[in-house]
Amino acid sequence: GAGVSQSPSNKVTEKGKDVELRCDPISGHTALYWYRQSLGQGLEFLIYFQGNSAPDKSGLPSDRFSAERTGGSVSTLTIQRTQQEDSAVYLCASSLDANTGELFFGEGSRLTVL
Amino acid sequence: GENVEQHPSTLSVQEGDSAVIKCTYSDSASNYFPWYKQELGKGPQLIIDIRSNVGEKKDQRIAVTLNKTAKHFSLHITETQPEDSAVYFCAANTNAGKSTFGDGTTLTVKP
Repeated sequence: GAGVSQSPSNKVTEKGKDVELRCDPISGHTALYWYRQSLGQGLEFLIYFQGNSAPDKSGLPSDRFSAERTGGSVSTLTIQRTQQEDSAVYLCASSLDANTGELFFGEGSRLTVL
Repeated sequence: GENVEQHPSTLSVQEGDSAVIKCTYSDSASNYFPWYKQELGKGPQLIIDIRSNVGEKKDQRIAVTLNKTAKHFSLHITETQPEDSAVYFCAANTNAGKSTFGDGTTLTVKP
């Protein structure tokens, strides 16, 4: 079956521009997560959605970052006024629910801010 | 919040040898400990996990051990093969949702 799908796979943008990254989770998965992975680094938690509950936004690094999940499925991560330090791979993952544990990751969106 | 430390950051072994990666966590409420393998250009993929009600779990050449008292858990890979070369991440999770990841271990298996 289809896994987690992310788009675009690569995005190059100029400093100050806004970007949107999209995630299509596995059908039926109620939990969706965004992580950021800088070059050679671990996975930094950004935000997670569980069903219709209010999202856990505790990992968002600044108010330039926001995310939404429409209809309990597709999610969009938006970065406004991008900075060079935003350059990273943004990984989306989904799981059956937040208690299940196992995360299924997409292949990521590589963002480069010039 | 939870803090997960992972060691070593890099590990090089000869094909056929064993590899061990260790992690410690800080939140005693954590009860789920997965290990992910990330190959170049791909997202991490779960290879084995353990819950806090068991001390050890094995799946063919890989095994995970958990010491809840000491708050540490380890990944053991035996009879390593070149295709085991990848970045490995440990994580800790409570029922509250998000997983906290270690910084990763780059494993290189030399033929």
